This record gives sequence, structure tokens and C-alpha cells, in this order.
Amino acid sequence: QKEVEQNSGPLSVPEGAIASLNCTYSDRVSQSFFWYRQYSGKSPELIMSIYSNGDKEDGRFTAQLNKASQYVSLLIRDSQPSDSATYLCAGGKSGGSNYKLTFGKGTLLTVNP
Amino acid sequence: GAVVSQHPSWVICKSGTSVKIECRSLDFQATTMFWYRQFPKQSLMLMATSNEGSKATYEQGVEKDKFLINHASLTLSTLTVTSAHPEDSSFYICSAPPGPHGYTFGSGTRLTVV
Repeated sequence: QKEVEQNSGPLSVPEGAIASLNCTYSDRVSQSFFWYRQYSGKSPELIMSIYSNGDKEDGRFTAQLNKASQYVSLLIRDSQPSDSATYLCAGGKSGGSNYKLTFGKGTLLTVNP
Repeated sequence: GAVVSQHPSWVICKSGTSVKIECRSLDFQATTMFWYRQFPKQSLMLMATSNEGSKATYEQGVEKDKFLINHASLTLSTLTVTSAHPEDSSFYICSAPPGPHGYTFGSGTRLTVV
């Protein structure tokens, strides 16, 4: 199993709908998880981070982590066309300055007006 | 806070030449910098980790002699692609380790080798 796996999509939702993005991970990638948004030709920008089981909400975004199932997801409520981008799931191990992130391949999301 | 400035944003070079990419931490000191490469429609792949004052740590499969990494000071890390070839054309991104706002990425460098 790859360390971090995502459905590559593409995922298309209408404006105002809920977009659901999913990610699974292996045991080697643990403890901390991040969702990044990347527009074409740009660097990733952090959307959410989550470290504990359960839900974490920030505005229209909710990250969910289930360590037993090795599953992390991102829900985007009231999707907007500006949310159209590639969403990258990343996992990392804690501790020290050598804290590497492992990225999934990303899911391309298109929000249709 | 926690801004990483990366230059150049894009560069076109001839095959066989070398290209240097710089990443500077503007408002903090970075003893470590991560260098990633991203091919079109692919994810970010970690190439190496630069460490101020010591040798960089390269990921498996990354050629040390081709991708020279130097971390000369607490605010500057550089990646030099030596003897570039068209297959080296990619998007290169640096990142500082996590701080209060998580990882900070540079703006990326689009390298095209012709």
C-alpha cells in the first residue's frame, strides 16, 4: 500500500453543494495530517490540519480523522467556483526538524457555477 | 509570519546548463528546508532535506551529484540542477518545517529545459 492514497478524481460538484474528499494512509505515515489546496501552477496552501480522531471544523471546511480505519477526509460545504483546485492530502510524523510530509497524488475538484 | 521566498518563479535553460533555485526564510530562521519536485498532474515528491551547516539528506533515487543542495545560512537554502536535461523539467518547491502555521511553502519554480 502506498503511504498516502487519494482518489484522483476528477470530482465535479455544483456550486453550493458539499464536496467530499477522501484519503487513506499506511502505518508508516501517522500522527499528523494535512489538507492542502493547490491551484494550477502554484504552490500548495494549507487548508486544514488534524491530529486527533474526530472532526475539526474551520469555516466551510471540516476535516475528519479516523485512525482505526486509517482514513482522513475533507468536506467542503457550500462549494464555490473558487474552490476549484487540486486538493492534496499529506501525512507526517511528529518530532524534530526532520519532519517529512508524504503527499497523496491529489484530487482535482471542479465546482460548477 | 513564516514566509519563504523562492526565486526564480520560472526559468528556461538550455540542455546541459545548470540552474540555481533559491529559497529564503524571510522572518524566521530555518535550520532545515525540504525540497520537492512535482511533475504535471503528479503529487509532490520529496527530493531532499537541506540542513544548515551539514550535508543534505537525499531521498532514495535522487542523484546527489545532479541536484546539489546547499544550506549556507539559517535563512538561505539553494538547489542547483546541474547539467539539466529536458526530463528535469518540473515544478520545484521548497518548504520549511512546521511552525505555528504549519508548513510554509515557497512559491515554486517552474523549470523548463529545452
